[in-house]
Amino acid sequence: EPEVTQTPSHQVTQMGQEVILRCVPISNHLYFYWYRQILGQKVEFLVSFYNNEISEKSEIFDDQFSVERPDGSNFTLKIRSTKLEDSAMYFCASSVADRAPLHFGNGTRLTVT
Amino acid sequence: EDQVTQSPEALRLQEGESSSLNCSYTVSGLRGLFWYRQDPGKGPEFLFTLYSAGEEKEKERLKATLTKKESFLHITAPKPEDSATYLCAVRSNTGNQFYFGTGTSLTVIP
Repeated sequence: EPEVTQTPSHQVTQMGQEVILRCVPISNHLYFYWYRQILGQKVEFLVSFYNNEISEKSEIFDDQFSVERPDGSNFTLKIRSTKLEDSAMYFCASSVADRAPLHFGNGTRLTVT
Repeated sequence: EDQVTQSPEALRLQEGESSSLNCSYTVSGLRGLFWYRQDPGKGPEFLFTLYSAGEEKEKERLKATLTKKESFLHITAPKPEDSATYLCAVRSNTGNQFYFGTGTSLTVIP
């Protein structure tokens, strides 16, 4: 069964450094998302992406965050200058259609020290 | 504001002891209610989508139902491998995002 793949599974970085989290969505999916989950808290929406542009973003997704689909398969989340509070599990998700369910990857655990 | 509340926060069942998990929601026009299972250190795994009140979906020991205010995930004769956190999410007519509840952590004891 096709799946969303994310790399790396764990990233440790120092405060102020840039990180790029990578995702390969399911190949025929058109809608792409980033969510995050701080330990013990709910899954929170960051951004949705469709037709090569951001379709919606949350208050969390400030100027330090950006997304890109550099080619036909990859979808990336960049954090320009990481903060301690950015430590979380970051999930990439994709869906085949607007009302369809999201399919999630297994996440990247980001630890900012 | 769109909101999702799940109860109970945690549930311990003996193997074979059936029960239900609740998801209450407030949303400006429901465009779908979704149930996911999440194992520790993993991403949410899709279980069901419900779109309108009265709809029911079933898969093995799980059955999801939907009313205008809440959804239930019924677990019949659970097994230890059903132990996981069950997440409910809703999508409204006003945006693209899915709003998640905090989940119910289910433990099934052999």
